Amino acid sequence: DGGITQSPKYLFRKEGQNVTLSCEQNLNHDAMYWYRQDPGQGLRLIYYSQIVNDFQKGDIAEGYSVSREKKESFPLTVTSAQKNPTAFYLCASSNTGVGEKLFFGSGTQLSVL
Amino acid sequence: QKEVEQDPGPLSVPEGAIVSLNCTYSNSAFQYFMWYRQYSRKGPELLMYTYSSGNKEDGRFTAQVDKSSKYISLFIRDSQPSDSATYLCAMSAGAAGNKLTFGGGTRVLVKP
Repeated sequence: DGGITQSPKYLFRKEGQNVTLSCEQNLNHDAMYWYRQDPGQGLRLIYYSQIVNDFQKGDIAEGYSVSREKKESFPLTVTSAQKNPTAFYLCASSNTGVGEKLFFGSGTQLSVL
Repeated sequence: QKEVEQDPGPLSVPEGAIVSLNCTYSNSAFQYFMWYRQYSRKGPELLMYTYSSGNKEDGRFTAQVDKSSKYISLFIRDSQPSDSATYLCAMSAGAAGNKLTFGGGTRVLVKP
């Protein structure tokens, strides 16, 4: 089945620790995105990538890092610099034409211990 | 003021009623308008996609866009308990990156 797989479903972070969220897609999409969702709020864009080995900051990139070494994979690292990391993280992908539809994974809930 | 405004709800309706949802926005550059349905702790699922102004119907769902008023709507006919979810509007100017700007979501409860 084609789709976007995020893992793990739940993740806990200790103070001062970096954690990495995985996102893999087999839709053959060129573009991938990371969004953060806080309770009662809309999704906010963290980073996006339109092509392998290239990515751009979104609206709330501070405290996060990404890589795009393969077309299928776009991992997100939440660094210790992110002081309020507790949130629901969503990965998405799309083709790169204008107005293309975004499709989302099932999300990762990150909490601080 | 947020770029996209959406009433958080909850909106409670009896089964079989019409659900009416809407969003207002301030950026006149938005051209692509979407509605996503999100169940608790799941990823958003694309329901409706509209380009520019006009209406679009798909089964029980109707999406309307009024660019002159910067207002979009989603109607769900013959609502079912399974329609209970949070509905997110999203929009894009279609610029490079297809970045979406989301409303905060409206929680809908359909009571049997």
